[in-house]
Amino acid sequence: NAGVMQNPRHLVRRRGQEARLRCSPMKGHSHVYWYRQLPEEGLKFMVYLQKENIIDESGMPKERFSAEFPKEGPSILRIQQVVRGDSAAYFCASSPSASADTGELFFGEGSRLTVL
Amino acid sequence: KQEVTQIPAALSVPEGENLVLNCSFTDSAIYNLQWFRQDPGKGLTSLLLIQSSQREQTSGRLNASLDKSSGRSTLYIAASQPGDSATYLCAVSGGGKSTFGDGTTLTVKP
Repeated sequence: NAGVMQNPRHLVRRRGQEARLRCSPMKGHSHVYWYRQLPEEGLKFMVYLQKENIIDESGMPKERFSAEFPKEGPSILRIQQVVRGDSAAYFCASSPSASADTGELFFGEGSRLTVL
Repeated sequence: KQEVTQIPAALSVPEGENLVLNCSFTDSAIYNLQWFRQDPGKGLTSLLLIQSSQREQTSGRLNASLDKSSGRSTLYIAASQPGDSATYLCAVSGGGKSTFGDGTTLTVKP
């Protein structure tokens, strides 16, 4: 059973470009969470999605960031018009049930975005 | 709003020593608490999950305890080894998401 798969592992973008990060949850998991880890900081919650639904996006910046988890395919975190402050590691986690229902989180290896 | 604090931020010990990492949280209405390990440049590896109805969990040389009423958890590592060197993160879940502490970076010297 493959774990949570994230790609790309490393992404370099120039200011103003778009970044797309993908996450395939573990087989059988229907809940996906995105977290951001800035250099030398802890993980900060961004968004919680189920298939075709955004459940909680309270941690997402109001502009330039969006996330989706379509019926088919991976979850996508999209950052438009990237700025240097977006440089960070973006982690995806999945759970077989909602965290609020005692579900255990399983993390991917992360996507490291560098904005030049 | 849930806040999670981990003390100390960094810890250096000689090989073989037993040690305790601390995690405290402000809102005791949690569903579970999970301890993770993170190696530099890597993702998070789940170590132990404690449900809110449980007091402790054990896996090998690791033992995690949970005291919901006081908002505290500890991770006990017995007979530490250089391979235990990593950052240890605790996360508490509630309200549909997990909130992380900033971690304790552990260095075990040979």
